Parts: sequence; structure tokens; C-alpha cells
Amino acid sequence: GENVEQHPSTLSVQEGDSAVIKCTYSDSASNYFPWYKQELGKRPQLIIDIRSNVGEKKDQRIAVTLNKTAKHFSLHITETQPEDSAVYFCAGNGGTSYGKLTFGQGTILTVHP
Amino acid sequence: SQTIHQWPATLVQPVGSPLSLECTVEGTSNPNLYWYRQAAGRGLQLLFYSVGIGQISSEVPQNLSASRPQDRQFILSSKKLLLSDSGFYLCAWSAGSYMNTEAFFGQGTRLTVV
Repeated sequence: GENVEQHPSTLSVQEGDSAVIKCTYSDSASNYFPWYKQELGKRPQLIIDIRSNVGEKKDQRIAVTLNKTAKHFSLHITETQPEDSAVYFCAGNGGTSYGKLTFGQGTILTVHP
Repeated sequence: SQTIHQWPATLVQPVGSPLSLECTVEGTSNPNLYWYRQAAGRGLQLLFYSVGIGQISSEVPQNLSASRPQDRQFILSSKKLLLSDSGFYLCAWSAGSYMNTEAFFGQGTRLTVV
């Protein structure tokens, strides 16, 4: 099955700085990689995703890059704001069509004003 | 639009008592359904998934079971809760088509076993 490793476990930045979170996956059949943001006590919500036929995707201040050869993908947040503070999860689907996602352990991002 | 309902939001149960958490999805048919558990606010662990009525796959051996009696209803159960069953339980659904596997989560149930 799929195994997803996520680093770092905690990340602290100053407002306006960039933040980068990295994930590696084990199953070369994985073809869908979403990123979720979870605020304290709330449900995880999708912020961006990437499929294996694309190397990079951007949505305003958020971007995701995928290196299929190395089996790793990264989340980049530019011009961070205090409201970006949350736990971020990466995931991979192991190439299944069932939407069965394997999640990384999460990164606690804190943006200091 | 599609919505997912999960209840209750919080639950405190004694050790050895039964458990039943329910999840329903509206606005879609034949969704894939999932139960995840999150311990200590980190790490979403997939417990069960279902691709159709009566079809349940278990990801990890445990004290819990799942059932799907209707297309858009997913139930998580236990006959006797353990202290280690405490956690944040999240139901989720996805459309299941090969190119669209985003998972949408319910609000979660915070279970405390005492």
C-alpha cells in the first residue's frame, strides 16, 4: 500500500515569509496528490491538488510541485498571513479509483504577525 | 450541491459501552465513503472505506466495524469501546471517478472514552 511521509512536523514563519512543506510517497501508481488544511477543531478542507500528468499547479499564493521520478511533492505558500496558521496534510491515492487517500502526518504551520 | 452530515459532534462514552456514529451524504449517488480517525489532532488514519451498499473494506484491525445499509449512509460501530478508541472520527466521501478523487469531510465526531 501507499506510504506518505511529510516534513517538517512543525513550521514557524514570520508574516510575509514563504513556507514550504514536503512529502514523499512510496507507491509509483499514485496519480493524485491533494493538500488539505485543517484549522483547530474543524474538518480538513482541500486547498489544492495535483495529478501526475502535471508538474506544477498554482492558485494565488499557493503552489504545489510534483516530481514523479523522485516520488515527492511540495506545498509552497508565499506571502504568509496569520490566517494561514493551521495543520496541513498531504496525501496520495496509491493509484486507486476509489479515492482512498493515505495522508502524511501533518505539519503545524504557525505564522507570527 | 453535495453535503455530508455526521453526528453527533461530541460524545463521551464509558469503557465497554457500544458505539454508533452515523454519516449521510446528500446531492450525489453511489459515492465512495470513508471513516478516518485522527488522534491528538494529527495524522488521519483510514479505518474503513466502501464503494457500494454492503461493501466494506477494513484498513486496520481494530475494535470497530462499519456498515453501509443504504447508498448514502455509512455507520461506524463498536460493541464494546476501549480507552484507545478515543479520538476525532471523520466521515468523508468522494465521487469515485478515476480523475476526481477529492475527499470531502464531515464535521467530525470527537469521541472520549472514559
